[in-house]
Amino acid sequence: DGGITQSPKYLFRKEGQNVTLSCEQNLNHDAMYWYRQDPGQGLRLIYYSQIVNDFQKGDIAEGYSVSREKKESFPLTVTSAQKNPTAFYLCATRGLATYTQYFGPGTRLTVL
Amino acid sequence: QKEVEQDPGPLSVPEGAIVSLNCTYSNSAFQYFMWYRQYSRKGPELLMYTYSSGNKEDGRFTAQVDKSSKYISLFIRDSQPSDSATYLCAMSAGNQFYFGTGTSLTVIP
Repeated sequence: DGGITQSPKYLFRKEGQNVTLSCEQNLNHDAMYWYRQDPGQGLRLIYYSQIVNDFQKGDIAEGYSVSREKKESFPLTVTSAQKNPTAFYLCATRGLATYTQYFGPGTRLTVL
Repeated sequence: QKEVEQDPGPLSVPEGAIVSLNCTYSNSAFQYFMWYRQYSRKGPELLMYTYSSGNKEDGRFTAQVDKSSKYISLFIRDSQPSDSATYLCAMSAGNQFYFGTGTSLTVIP
């Protein structure tokens, strides 16, 4: 069953804690993206990666970190430096020969 | 000025109506145009994808791109209650994508 999986679906975190969101894909897509979605603000790009071991900051990278050690995986860490981390986080992929993105189901992070 | 502007709605129509959703953009370099449907608390689902100007039809959905006016549209014919969702436009000139804020649509039975 091909697709993009994100886990967990819901995540609760105490202030001051780091937390890692998982994104895995078996579409053999080279590029992977992390977005944050807040009501009324649309999708904002956090980080993206076009190949393994390489990634670029997006518009709102402060307080986040990523790694790309495998083509299939692009985990996002939300650090304690992120001032307002409560949001819906979406992972997306793109094949390099195409210009469309496909999204995972999302992770809703709530900071208590 | 935002790269992509989209009226957030909400838009409410009776079942069977024709729905028109629109976005405008400012970057003339955009070549690829997409429409996504997003149900509440779910990831966006790709509906339509168009390259450059023109029309594309897929069942009840038609996407139009007018690059001279920097304006894109999605038409939904014979709208159904299952079409109730938020519709996001997106566009790209390469590696990065730019999204509208989404239009919330409710189709009333």
